[in-house]
Amino acid sequence: AQKVTQAQTEISVVEKEDVTLDCVYETRDTTYYLFWYKQPPSGELVFLIRRNSFDEQNEISGRYSWNFQKSTSSFNFTITASQVVDSAVYFCALRYSGAGSYQLTFGKGTKLSVIP
Amino acid sequence: DGGITQSPKYLFRKEGQNVTLSCEQNLNHDAMYWYRQDPGQGLRLIYYSQIVNDFQKGDIAEGYSVSREKKESFPLTVTSAQKNPTAFYLCASSKLETGSNQPQHFGDGTRLSIL
Repeated sequence: AQKVTQAQTEISVVEKEDVTLDCVYETRDTTYYLFWYKQPPSGELVFLIRRNSFDEQNEISGRYSWNFQKSTSSFNFTITASQVVDSAVYFCALRYSGAGSYQLTFGKGTKLSVIP
Repeated sequence: DGGITQSPKYLFRKEGQNVTLSCEQNLNHDAMYWYRQDPGQGLRLIYYSQIVNDFQKGDIAEGYSVSREKKESFPLTVTSAQKNPTAFYLCASSKLETGSNQPQHFGDGTRLSIL
């Protein structure tokens, strides 16, 4: 069975602070994909990034960066110099990459509040 | 612009009533999904469909039904058998490829409440 744990239920930071959102996953599959989504107050989920299980390169996109460590089954997300517009619920998700498998397993989400 | 349209944005259900949530996409995606989100919870899969006229149950299909008569449309019916329907419902779609790493794209959601 697959499982995604986001231990931080809610985080509050002051604008311009850096913040890291943790994601730990469990899977018996050897190949899989990891995703991060952002859910702003309006409700829709916005895709941020995907990562293959065999690609442990960290990735940076502007103020966002992701640290994938297969050895610890973690896929953490860091926002540098946070802004009020970053306030949202962030979900980490996992999907087996084998044929016929399209189901995403989501964590419960971390609500980030950035205070001006 | 391409995207996923869910309607209505808010929906109220009376006791014993079936209600249908609409989901339409113009992304030419083969696969479509319905998720339920409860406060403080992640998303849970209700149903998904990879091809027209075919669909599979997700983790919490009881009390729900779907149809996939057109590629663009995947309506969800919340039946009277679903005793706790109050939730936020999200529809998603994605490309369909073997071992796909394609992300799912989501609509804006429908918030369903009981009267």
